[in-house]
Amino acid sequence: EAGVAQSPRYKIIEKRQSVAFWCNPISGHATLYWYQQILGQGPKLLIQFQNNGVVDDSQLPKDRFSAERLKGVDSTLKIQPAKLEDSAVYLCASSLTGVRGYTFGSGTRLTVV
Amino acid sequence: GENVEQHPSTLSVQEGDSAVIKCTYSDSASNYFPWYKQELGKGPQLIIDIRSNVGEKKDQRIAVTLNKTAKHFSLHITETQPEDSAVYFCAAPPRGGTSYGKLTFGQGTILTVHP
Repeated sequence: EAGVAQSPRYKIIEKRQSVAFWCNPISGHATLYWYQQILGQGPKLLIQFQNNGVVDDSQLPKDRFSAERLKGVDSTLKIQPAKLEDSAVYLCASSLTGVRGYTFGSGTRLTVV
Repeated sequence: GENVEQHPSTLSVQEGDSAVIKCTYSDSASNYFPWYKQELGKGPQLIIDIRSNVGEKKDQRIAVTLNKTAKHFSLHITETQPEDSAVYFCAAPPRGGTSYGKLTFGQGTILTVHP
């Protein structure tokens, strides 16, 4: 089966600019997650979708981050405006049910200068 | 919420030696413990997992052990090979278990296997 697709792979922006990341999960996977991985740390959950509904966004900085999953398939994560501390790899993952069978994409490496 | 501590942060071994990475967790209700391997430029990949109703699980050269009383679990890699070099992460779900889909990750261990 095809894996989780993410784009772009790399992005460099200046602080206060906006940026968007795209994720296409494995076909049929109802649950989609966005994680933030700062260099040298483990991934941290930002938001979890079940189909096109938000299950958990408690750790999403809602003043600058937003995410949507229209039609319950693809998802986009947006940052506006970006700060230096947003420099990280943004990982998308999907699963059929719950935590079993989590599959991660390769991520988007964001550098804010 | 769940707190997962992972040690060591770096581990260097000679090819053929064994490697052990340990994690402790805080939430006694956690019931699922996966280990992920992350190679450079890639996302984490699940390599082995264990549920709380068993104490040990093995898959070829890798094994995971769980001590629920002490709230810690360990990854064991035997006969290490250079291709085992990567960052390894442990994880655990918060209270509510696997059905909620969330995972809290450890800080990661950089494993280097020298030929």
